Amino acid sequence: DSGVTQTPKHLITATGQRVTLRCSPRSGDLSVYWYQQSLDQGLQFLIQYYNGEERAKGNILERFSAQQFPDLHSELNLSSLELGDSALYFCASSVEDVNEQFFGPGTRLTVL
Amino acid sequence: AQSVAQPEDQVNVAEGNPLTVKCTYSVSGNPYLFWYVQYPNRGLQFLLKYITGDNLVKGSYGFEAEFNKSQTSFHLKKPSALVSDSALYFCAVRDTARGGNTPLVFGKGTRLSVIA
Repeated sequence: DSGVTQTPKHLITATGQRVTLRCSPRSGDLSVYWYQQSLDQGLQFLIQYYNGEERAKGNILERFSAQQFPDLHSELNLSSLELGDSALYFCASSVEDVNEQFFGPGTRLTVL
Repeated sequence: AQSVAQPEDQVNVAEGNPLTVKCTYSVSGNPYLFWYVQYPNRGLQFLLKYITGDNLVKGSYGFEAEFNKSQTSFHLKKPSALVSDSALYFCAVRDTARGGNTPLVFGKGTRLSVIA
C-alpha cells in the first residue's frame, strides 16, 4: 500500500458527461501528479500541483481540469467525455519534485 | 526534450536465470532516473532511483540498475528471476537542466514474463 488513495475505483459513464476523480496524497506529500494510462498511449503525464498551486502541465486536454485543495487532496475533472477518454487515471504524490513518486491504485474510467 | 526508450516490449526469462530490462534516455542536463513496476490492476510501485553517486543502484525485491552515462542507459537487472517478478516495468527520467518543474517522462513499459 503506497498511502495514496483514489476514488472511485471504477467509473462507467456516457459520452458527453462530466466526472470527478479524487486523490488523497500520502501524509506529508505536497506534490500531486495526475497521469492517464491507455493501451495505445502508455503512461501520459497530465498535470502537477504543489501545495495548492499548479506546477507543471503535460498533455492535458482543455476539457480536463484539476485542482488541489488546502488539505492537499486533489480532484481531476473530466468533461464532455469521449470514447477515447476511457483509460486508467493514476494519481501520484511526492514530498518534493526530485523525490520518487508514489502511485495510487488508479481509477478505471469507461466511457460508453 | 527529455525522452526515455524501452526497446523491448516483452522480455521472457526462465526462473532462476538473470534478467535485464533495458532503458535508454535522452536529456539536456543530468538525469534523475527511476524504475517502477506495475502488477495487474495495481498502481505503479517504486523500485529504485539514480540521482547521483554510485552508478550501481540497489532497490526493492533484489533489483538493481546500473547508470551508464556514456551509453545513456539505466538497465534494470536481477541476478535470479522469480515467477512473481512477472509484471510491467517502467523506466522514467527527469531532466535536471530544465529546473524543478520538469515532470517525469515514462517509457512505454516492458512486460517481463518469468517462466517456471
